[in-house]
Amino acid sequence: NAGVTQTPKFQVLKTGQSMTLQCAQDMNHNSMYWYRQDPGMGLRLIYYSASEGTTDKGEVPNGYNVSRLNKREFSLRLESAAPSQTSVYFCASSELPRHGLAADTQYFGPGTRLTVL
Amino acid sequence: AQKVTQAQTEISVVEKEDVTLDCVYETRDTTYYLFWYKQPPSGELVFLIRRNSFDEQNEISGRYSWNFQKSTSSFNFTITASQVVDSAVYFCALSDLGAGSYQLTFGKGTKLSVIP
Repeated sequence: NAGVTQTPKFQVLKTGQSMTLQCAQDMNHNSMYWYRQDPGMGLRLIYYSASEGTTDKGEVPNGYNVSRLNKREFSLRLESAAPSQTSVYFCASSELPRHGLAADTQYFGPGTRLTVL
Repeated sequence: AQKVTQAQTEISVVEKEDVTLDCVYETRDTTYYLFWYKQPPSGELVFLIRRNSFDEQNEISGRYSWNFQKSTSSFNFTITASQVVDSAVYFCALSDLGAGSYQLTFGKGTKLSVIP
């Protein structure tokens, strides 16, 4: 049981290049999330997918797109990378939140360290 | 809007000392969840505890304990007899319906260094 996996672990891009970060979970969770972590900022939500077939913007969605490929996989795409997108990216997953209750515990992948030159 | 404040940016303690990490939150909802995560130097985020707003009972797990006080909107984390392996960044987080049920709002983290 691998939990949440992310690829790649490290990536260096030049300004303007594109790339896709991959995330997969084997816990049969319905909800998946993408966060970025910047020094001294905690984690901020980029996009999330409450269930297969749906995606929604989080706090900092500009410059990113996502695809919920199936229940297991949720990818994050940078179409034209900028130095401001240098960050550590975390994917997470959780059970489907039950009606009337706040979200269930989120479990995180190991992260992708991205540098944009 | 929801907000989580971890006022302690960095703390250093000598091994075997007790240490308390503070977390203060703001939310307009009566139903919400609070979490603590640990991020060791290796970088992964490890879930430690989840507490819902209706359960103010304190919790103890080995050397770890959590004190939840709704009256002061605080959810503090105490490590007893700290060890070098406790050195990490600790994040407090809040999830409430006002955020759309799916968003965790994180504090900026407290970096704990345990000196041997």
